[in-house]
Amino acid sequence: SAVISQKPSRDICQRGTSLTIQCQVDSQVTMMFWYRQQPGQSLTLIATANQGSEATYESGFVIDKFPISRPNLTFSTLTVSNMSPEDSSIYLCSVGMGIGYGYTFGSGTRLTVV
Amino acid sequence: QQQVKQSPQSLIVQKGGISIINCAYENTAFDYFPWYQQFPGKGPALLIAIRPDVSEKKEGRFTISFNKSAKQFSLHIMDSQPGDSATYFCAASSSSNTGKLIFGQGTTLQVKP
Repeated sequence: SAVISQKPSRDICQRGTSLTIQCQVDSQVTMMFWYRQQPGQSLTLIATANQGSEATYESGFVIDKFPISRPNLTFSTLTVSNMSPEDSSIYLCSVGMGIGYGYTFGSGTRLTVV
Repeated sequence: QQQVKQSPQSLIVQKGGISIINCAYENTAFDYFPWYQQFPGKGPALLIAIRPDVSEKKEGRFTISFNKSAKQFSLHIMDSQPGDSATYFCAASSSSNTGKLIFGQGTTLQVKP
């Protein structure tokens, strides 16, 4: 299965600032997703990162707040913009080789907004 | 329609016992049902998965039982070990809807020595 490098692993940020999270995969993958996991909670899909086009966002998530780039089949970024303490969470990148196949998750980025 | 409901929220099992976690879904378009294991500070790791054309899948001590008519599936961990203590998530996806995973609420399993 693919190996994911997600950076940074954790960060503490001031409110009102932005943080860009990187997801690098060691092989080309068809599908890339970004999830949010609040402490002790389940995973919520933010968006599907589409190569060369705009990401597909889930209900409750908007591009202005969570801009996503995916320039190729091995790399994607998620930016958390104009952060507030409510954005404190774990953000996870997930990749897969096709619909219905197992998806691999990165170790996540633990974000604390103060 | 998109929800996956998981129970119990937490589970305590003695070493050597059987751990059972249940999930239910509504969307009949779901056609892939994985289970993930997550340790603190780590991302979820795929444990085992099943498609609706089979009723059971076993990998080592882990078994998925699937009941298509009841729209339910469960994870059985046989001979549970302290190292199995983790949070378990069921999930579901539909090949007709981008394949994105919809997760259950999670079950925290503690296996006592």
